[in-house]
Amino acid sequence: QVQLQESGPGLVKPSETLSLTCTVSGDSISNYFWSWIRQPPGKGLEWIGFIYYSGSTDYNPSLKSRVTISVDTSNNQFSLKLSSVTAADTAVYYCARRPVYGGSYFFDYWGQGTLVTVSS
Amino acid sequence: SALTQPASVSGSPGQSITISCTGASSDVGTYNLVSWYQQHPGKAPKVMIYEGSKRPSGVSNRFSGSKSGNTASLTISGLQAEDEADYYCCSYAGSNIVVFGGGTKLTVL
Repeated sequence: QVQLQESGPGLVKPSETLSLTCTVSGDSISNYFWSWIRQPPGKGLEWIGFIYYSGSTDYNPSLKSRVTISVDTSNNQFSLKLSSVTAADTAVYYCARRPVYGGSYFFDYWGQGTLVTVSS
Repeated sequence: SALTQPASVSGSPGQSITISCTGASSDVGTYNLVSWYQQHPGKAPKVMIYEGSKRPSGVSNRFSGSKSGNTASLTISGLQAEDEADYYCCSYAGSNIVVFGGGTKLTVL
């Protein structure tokens, strides 16, 4: 059974960089695309970006200037860095898996999510 | 920009409801790559429909998806209390980008 687990600080100061890691178990990270998605409290979902095991990335244009997603295949993990955060970046951050085939722009496995609060 | 969903819908047990998801010719209208997610409070989203109308293994056949023009729809038939949740649509928008809808709260009366 595939499992995803987010980890990282729950509190980040304004203007600093938010860093999260997603650890994948039950399957190799090399077989799929992986994604970060966030949800501000009481609001809807927002896609942040994709990464393939090769390191190829795609980002939400509205966040692209501040986002970096990277992959560590040796540890079956991928990570998110979001720079220059503000209170508007306070959200539950989810990592998710995206299957690899022609029309596979959907997410079949999700982590439980981790709340990151931006506050001084 | 985000896809447009009604903020809320409701129905009685046993009834059918439909949630709409309106996009543009650049996303929903061009690609039959809409997925739908169910999210219960405090839980991660769960995919219910992908590629417009396909159901993952284990998802009840009471859930179905369709599309007409720039609008995708999720229909839930034979409403059950456990269906009460938030529902989100998501569409491919070209250039390896996806966009979510704002979400719809389903209340089972």
